[in-house]
Amino acid sequence: DVKVTQSSRYLVKRTGEKVFLECVQDMDHENMFWYRQDPGLGLRLIYFSYDVKMKEKGDIPEGYSVSREKKERFSLILESASTNQTSMYLCASRDRGANVLTFGAGSRLTVL
Amino acid sequence: DAKTTQPNSMESNEEEPVHLPCNHSTISGTDYIHWYRQLPSQGPEYVIHGLTSNVNNRMASLAIAEDRKSSTLILHRATLRDAAVYYCILRPSTGANSKLTFGKGITLSVRP
Repeated sequence: DVKVTQSSRYLVKRTGEKVFLECVQDMDHENMFWYRQDPGLGLRLIYFSYDVKMKEKGDIPEGYSVSREKKERFSLILESASTNQTSMYLCASRDRGANVLTFGAGSRLTVL
Repeated sequence: DAKTTQPNSMESNEEEPVHLPCNHSTISGTDYIHWYRQLPSQGPEYVIHGLTSNVNNRMASLAIAEDRKSSTLILHRATLRDAAVYYCILRPSTGANSKLTFGKGITLSVRP
């Protein structure tokens, strides 16, 4: 069964801390995505990567960066976490040109 | 990017059919229509997709208007497990590395 694994289901961090959210997929997919989900706002795309070392900004990239050094791993980085980054973060992957996104279970981040 | 519009919420009764609407008036001729659903405390999962013709699978049916400016996801007999947020999105068929944008989705409640 195909799988997208997010390293942490729940994290609590303090304002100003550097935060890494890790996502690993075992499907050899080229495309990987990071979304955040907030009540009343749905899923919003932060960044996506269409290949190793390639990335593009999504709709809300401010305050975030990403890293894709290996095909299977896509990391979301909050350089200096702020309280407005408290959210559910969802990672997804997709084979290039394929129709279906596979999502991870999500990482709920709380920034105090 | 073409956008979709969905009602915020719908209610249905268990074992009755459910029709979930989606408007996509700015759809281009090469956009696929995709539906995903998100059960509580899980990441979204793929439901169905189509281009022009109606589609059926084990989870649902997708009815696409002749002008393709709207579509309807049909759950033939709703169960309590179908209570979820349903997202209608457009996926360009050109540009294999295209980003995928989700909106707020429609929250389906199922009454016993």
